[in-house]
Amino acid sequence: DAKTTQPPSMDCAEGRAANLPCNHSTISGNEYVYWYRQIHSQGPQYIIHGLKNNETNEMASLIITEDRKSSTLILPHATLRDTAVYYCIVRRFQGGSEKLVFGKGTKLTVNP
Amino acid sequence: ETGVTQTPRHLVMGMTNKKSLKCEQHLGHNAMYWYKQSAKKPLELMFVYNFKEQTENNSVPSRFSPECPNSSHLFLHLHTLQPEDSALYLCASTGGRATDTQYFGPGTRLTVL
Repeated sequence: DAKTTQPPSMDCAEGRAANLPCNHSTISGNEYVYWYRQIHSQGPQYIIHGLKNNETNEMASLIITEDRKSSTLILPHATLRDTAVYYCIVRRFQGGSEKLVFGKGTKLTVNP
Repeated sequence: ETGVTQTPRHLVMGMTNKKSLKCEQHLGHNAMYWYKQSAKKPLELMFVYNFKEQTENNSVPSRFSPECPNSSHLFLHLHTLQPEDSALYLCASTGGRATDTQYFGPGTRLTVL
């Protein structure tokens, strides 16, 4: 699976948008970009995923560049509860099951 | 609630004990996973089961023994563990289609004394 590169940490003010970048320059055409987050000592929580087009759901927006070599997760109005480690994962589906290879992610701290 | 439950949530055991972790998914999924997360380390995939058959063992020591009796249940049997096996053990499941998403349980925090 393609590797991803994320900044180790970011800060954001409560109520402001949090923009978390991810580089995946070796992504293949059939690989999806997934975002999960993990609040301290809990199981990872699925946020959003995309292949080529930008995506939006009730939690976040995902912006994927046209060449698909990078993406940005946007939390439009960050709250203190959004403080977590955010993982960008490039995932390939293979024959009925898959592997998610987690890196170290970005530790997002939302400040009051 | 993700539809994936794990019991117990916390477990303390000695190195000579035998214990089991249980995972149950209520999502109708076909594939189930065990991950290990040691302190300040990324999640590491341990085992993958697809339709009750083990499809991946990521070089896990034999003191960890998985069992998948059906597509809804997954166990991790533990025996003669070491203190360095203390970690958060996470279970996940997915439907097995290209558009399906992997969902995680809350994890079991294991401490080996």
